[in-house]
Amino acid sequence: SQTIHQWPATLVQPVGSPLSLECTVEGTSNPNLYWYRQAAGRGLQLLFYSVGIGQISSEVPQNLSASRPQDRQFILSSKKLLLSDSGFYLCAWSMGQRNSPLHFGNGTRLTVT
Amino acid sequence: AQSVTQLGSHVSVSEGALVLLRCNYSSSVPPYLFWYVQYPNQGLQLLLKYTSAATLVKGINGFEAEFKKSETSFHLTKPSAHMSDAAEYFCAVTKGSSNTGKLIFGQGTTLQVKP
Repeated sequence: SQTIHQWPATLVQPVGSPLSLECTVEGTSNPNLYWYRQAAGRGLQLLFYSVGIGQISSEVPQNLSASRPQDRQFILSSKKLLLSDSGFYLCAWSMGQRNSPLHFGNGTRLTVT
Repeated sequence: AQSVTQLGSHVSVSEGALVLLRCNYSSSVPPYLFWYVQYPNQGLQLLLKYTSAATLVKGINGFEAEFKKSETSFHLTKPSAHMSDAAEYFCAVTKGSSNTGKLIFGQGTTLQVKP
């Protein structure tokens, strides 16, 4: 069966520090991968998605970037964190068809101080 | 373009009572619809999905949802609420007509279950 791992679970970082969140998927090949952010009271916002290695699409302009160095690895990064980057970050995968559900990791709670 | 509206950001029911969480969608193409549940500090878990095979969809934990095209609705129901159902629930629709797998989510409904 497929599993998705996301770490760390919680992170407290000072403003201006770098960020690296990692997500890996097991049990499937060539998945579509996604990074969502969930801010309090604002629902889920799609940040990036990837349909293959090295292929990244950004949904919103922001201080973050994403990379996919391997088929089942998705990384969310920032060179300098802002206070507004605080939130709950969720990685997800799907088979990429219109009727495919997203399968989510357990999320990372990021607090920028 | 697609959109999802969840009516009621907070719903409170008594244990054993009917649960009804409302979702209306807008889609310019035949929609695929999903319900997810999120417990505090966890990711989203798929409850059920509508992919045009049947209009009444049964999911996990006793939940079901009915797709009504004429009403553009996909409401989530459960006959008898349990305390463990207290969580946040999200309705989602597939974005666009291409195979990117992107979903558009509603703002969520927090379900409170009172003893």
